[in-house]
Amino acid sequence: DTEVTQTPKHLVMGMTNKKSLKCEQHMGHRAMYWYKQKAKKPPELMFVYSYEKLSINESVPSRFSPECPNSSLLNLHLHALQPEDSALYLCASSLGQGANTEAFFGQGTRLTVV
Amino acid sequence: EDQVTQSPEALRLQEGESSSLNCSYTVSGLRGLFWYRQDPGKGPEFLFTLYSAGEEKEKERLKATLTKKESFLHITAPKPEDSATYLCAVQGASGTYKYIFGTGTRLKVLA
Repeated sequence: DTEVTQTPKHLVMGMTNKKSLKCEQHMGHRAMYWYKQKAKKPPELMFVYSYEKLSINESVPSRFSPECPNSSLLNLHLHALQPEDSALYLCASSLGQGANTEAFFGQGTRLTVV
Repeated sequence: EDQVTQSPEALRLQEGESSSLNCSYTVSGLRGLFWYRQDPGKGPEFLFTLYSAGEEKEKERLKATLTKKESFLHITAPKPEDSATYLCAVQGASGTYKYIFGTGTRLKVLA
């Protein structure tokens, strides 16, 4: 099973709202990732968690707050977003951050900020 | 700085018309090169991992090859259902082990 599950699939939120994106994997992977993807662009790395600790933050604005409660779960908390934050948000996992192996992606959350 | 360039940006093929997609990379110590397929509005679907020059992987109508500077994704006798964006990513030995993505090739196969 190479499944990464993301919820919700679609989310519409106002600029004053607080919402969370969720990601789950049961492959025993110890690295988990958040990516942002705009139309016709490649995925853009936001955060990397390795063994439940934040390993990489690609200078993401503080209105995006990641959380890794355990080795299977990854959350992305959203607050006071801007319309330009509308995008497809992708979660991925891999065996380990330096394991030379492929990452598996979820189906994404399509976020629209109004 | 690690870099990945994919060409062409877009490709239209007739059903059955074989072709190749290119992924050129510059990376300090290649740890892996990965091919993904992405359908509109969906997450990337993993296809292949290649580790060293000369390596080849096959799956149905797709075959991925690797040299020291580039990788090719060969599509033999494509079908309309092969229409998608194909992404290439590399992981280098820079210390952070990030996946660096190319901008993709949008493939359209016409019936």
